[in-house]
Amino acid sequence: DVKVTQSSRYLVKRTGEKVFLECVQDMDHENMFWYRQDPGLGLRLIYFSYDVKMKEKGDIPEGYSVSREKKERFSLILESASTNQTSMYLCASRGTGRSEKLFFGSGTQLSVL
Amino acid sequence: EDQVTQSPEALRLQEGESSSLNCSYTVSGLRGLFWYRQDPGKGPEFLFTLYSAGEEKEKERLKATLTKKESFLHITAPKPEDSATYLCAVQERGAQKLVFGQGTRLTINP
Repeated sequence: DVKVTQSSRYLVKRTGEKVFLECVQDMDHENMFWYRQDPGLGLRLIYFSYDVKMKEKGDIPEGYSVSREKKERFSLILESASTNQTSMYLCASRGTGRSEKLFFGSGTQLSVL
Repeated sequence: EDQVTQSPEALRLQEGESSSLNCSYTVSGLRGLFWYRQDPGKGPEFLFTLYSAGEEKEKERLKATLTKKESFLHITAPKPEDSATYLCAVQERGAQKLVFGQGTRLTINP
């Protein structure tokens, strides 16, 4: 069974902390994505990566950075967490075939206090 | 800029009462339109991909259709276990990312 695993289900952090969200996929997919999901706003793309060490900004990259040192792992970094980054964070991966579907992880609910 | 609008935001039905969810989209060239189901506290789960106007796909009580401007997700004789948020997303030709709508929260009462 295909799997996208996010390291934490729930996370509580303080304002100003550096936060790491980890995502691992076991499907040898080239493309990986980080979305955040907020009520009324839907899923919004933060960053994506189409290859190791390659990254592209999504629609809302401000306040975030990413790292992809290995093909299977894609990390989202909040350099200095703020309360407006409280959200559900979803990692996803997909291959490179025609419109291959996204596989999602279970999400990380991050609360910044 | 690609845009996806889903309606209604929320829908309550009685068990067995069929209905449709709408997804209107604006994209310069469509590579694919996707439907996902999301249960509370979980990541979205893939349902269908549609590629061109006139295409239809079915899975159990769900049927997705596509025109040049919108897609419908028809639910026939729904059951309480069909309660979830249904998400629509589009992928533009030449792009890797998907743009999502806000979703329709569907509740089926027994």
